[in-house]
Amino acid sequence: EPEVTQTPSHQVTQMGQEVILRCVPISNHLYFYWYRQILGQKVEFLVSFYNNEISEKSEIFDDQFSVERPDGSNFTLKIRSTKLEDSAMYFCASTHFGTTPSYEQYFGPGTRLTVT
Amino acid sequence: AQTVTQSQPEMSVQEAETVTLSCTYDTSESDYYLFWYKQPPSRQMILVIRQEAYKQQNATENRFSVNFQKAAKSFSLKISDSQLGDAAMYFCAYRAGGSRLTFGEGTQLTVNP
Repeated sequence: EPEVTQTPSHQVTQMGQEVILRCVPISNHLYFYWYRQILGQKVEFLVSFYNNEISEKSEIFDDQFSVERPDGSNFTLKIRSTKLEDSAMYFCASTHFGTTPSYEQYFGPGTRLTVT
Repeated sequence: AQTVTQSQPEMSVQEAETVTLSCTYDTSESDYYLFWYKQPPSRQMILVIRQEAYKQQNATENRFSVNFQKAAKSFSLKISDSQLGDAAMYFCAYRAGGSRLTFGEGTQLTVNP
């Protein structure tokens, strides 16, 4: 069964450093998402991406964050200058039809980001 | 703005028994979808069940069923014949028009042998 993959599974970085989290969505999916979950808290939407541009973003997704689909398979989340409060689990998700609510968003296993 | 509330931070159930997890939501939309996701210790998000708001019939997936009360904006999950593998964090989620999922705070379910 096709699945969303994410690398690395765990990333440790120092405050102020740039990190890139990578995701490979399911191959025929067209809409891609990033969510984050701070330990012990709810899952929060960051951004959605379609047709090589951001379709929606939350108030969390400020200028420190960017997303890119550099080739036909990868979808990346970049954090330019990490802060301690960026420590969280980051989930990538994809779906075939993003604006048709019934279509399931398939989640990857997550990348645990630890900022020290 | 849409909000999703899970008022039970923790629940426990004996193996083979039935447990119900509560969820309420707030929306002004008439067409939307509701979901229950399971997050085991691995932290993978796994879809358990979905409900379309326009359907009156409650969704069922094997041992999992929902009680969807649209007027009350309530969406509870019932797990029958609970198994040890059901132990996880359960998140209620909402989605309408836009593409984002809005999650509740989660309920940690413990299954006792």
